[in-house]
Amino acid sequence: DAGVTQSPTHLIKTRGQHVTLRCSPISGHKSVSWYQQVLGQGPQFIFQYYEKEERGRGNFPDRFSARQFPNYSSELNVNALLLGDSALYLCASSSGRPFSTEAFFGQGTRLTVV
Amino acid sequence: EDQVTQSPEALRLQEGESSSLNCSYTVSGLRGLFWYRQDPGKGPEFLFTLYSAGEEKEKERLKATLTKKESFLHITAPKPEDSATYLCAVHPNTNAGKSTFGDGTTLTVKP
Repeated sequence: DAGVTQSPTHLIKTRGQHVTLRCSPISGHKSVSWYQQVLGQGPQFIFQYYEKEERGRGNFPDRFSARQFPNYSSELNVNALLLGDSALYLCASSSGRPFSTEAFFGQGTRLTVV
Repeated sequence: EDQVTQSPEALRLQEGESSSLNCSYTVSGLRGLFWYRQDPGKGPEFLFTLYSAGEEKEKERLKATLTKKESFLHITAPKPEDSATYLCAVHPNTNAGKSTFGDGTTLTVKP
């Protein structure tokens, strides 16, 4: 079975532009979470979606938004990019069963804002 | 607010030299504590979930333990391929999906 897949793997954008990152969860998993990881730090929680509904949101500005599709894949959108948005964006897949905790990560999208 | 602190930030070992990594946490009701391994430029790789104080889990040269305030990842006779950043995270006892991560311990094992 395929693991969590993210696209693109690398991306370079200019300040002020917007970006869309994509994630496909493990087959059978209904929950997707997004994390931002700045170099040298641990991942920071951005969003979680389950059955197309937002289940949790981290301390990120409204420039960050996400959605989940009927096939459980997900998009993370970031508007008005800032230099500080440069990071590794990680998608994590989990079953979504109540109180289920194990999450499996994709390889990430490396976003560079110039 | 949930917090996770990992120590040391970096650890250099000789091949075969056993050691432990520490993860101290505060959380408003712990549902699970996770350990992940992360290689440079890649996503975290799931290692263990621990649910309650006193629980232990093992995988090859790694053993994770949990108390009410901290977790340890013991590495026995490490090999160079164990070199990576080890991340600890806590998941609260709610139905929200937020896990809080520490900043990791970067382990280097010299042959």
